[in-house]
Amino acid sequence: DADVTQTPRNRITKTGKRIMLECSQTKGHDRMYWYRQDPGLGLRLIYYSFDVKDINKGEISDGYSVSRQAQAKFSLSLESAIPNQTALYFCATSETGGAKETQYFGPGTRLLVL
Amino acid sequence: DQQVKQNSPSLSVQEGRISILNCDYTNSMFDYFLWYKKYPAEGPTFLISISSIKDKNEDGRFTVFLNKSAKHLSLHIVPSQPGDSAVYFCAVYNQGGKLIFGQGTELSVKP
Repeated sequence: DADVTQTPRNRITKTGKRIMLECSQTKGHDRMYWYRQDPGLGLRLIYYSFDVKDINKGEISDGYSVSRQAQAKFSLSLESAIPNQTALYFCATSETGGAKETQYFGPGTRLLVL
Repeated sequence: DQQVKQNSPSLSVQEGRISILNCDYTNSMFDYFLWYKKYPAEGPTFLISISSIKDKNEDGRFTVFLNKSAKHLSLHIVPSQPGDSAVYFCAVYNQGGKLIFGQGTELSVKP
């Protein structure tokens, strides 16, 4: 079984709809992250959480919100989806957050906003 | 402003030859650098890293070189294999402890 799972894997929605992307991990890591990937821009950090009570904005948090329901679960919500939120979304986890941490990524959710 | 740049969106190499992927960064205070590899329909996976106290780190067919004065790092794959065909991202840790990714280079290794 995969250590970091994301649901759904693909989603098509309409402008103005609220949607939630979910991430679960079995690695026992405290730290979780949400990124989006756009062509020509690499991966950009949306939100991150260092533990259940900690939520921090990343580079591009506008239009997004998150919820850390448990150590193993970190959800990303688009309150009112817009077409420029069409992207590939990745969840990641890490153990310590130190300088030598490795981040482990889920398989991604491909989102299309019409 | 892009702090980590991979200026080649794509690279095509013959099987058995060397692949060289390049990455430039802007901040001389960055001190830890990583390469991630991504196959279609999968998330990125960690490949190799290097600390700024070194100028080279090797792991099998993969070697990362760091030139601090030029603020440049490169990933060498020797010999290249068709299974190496993927998108490669370089990434650095900023002072806030967060990863900053380059745009990615799509490597195609042809048999």
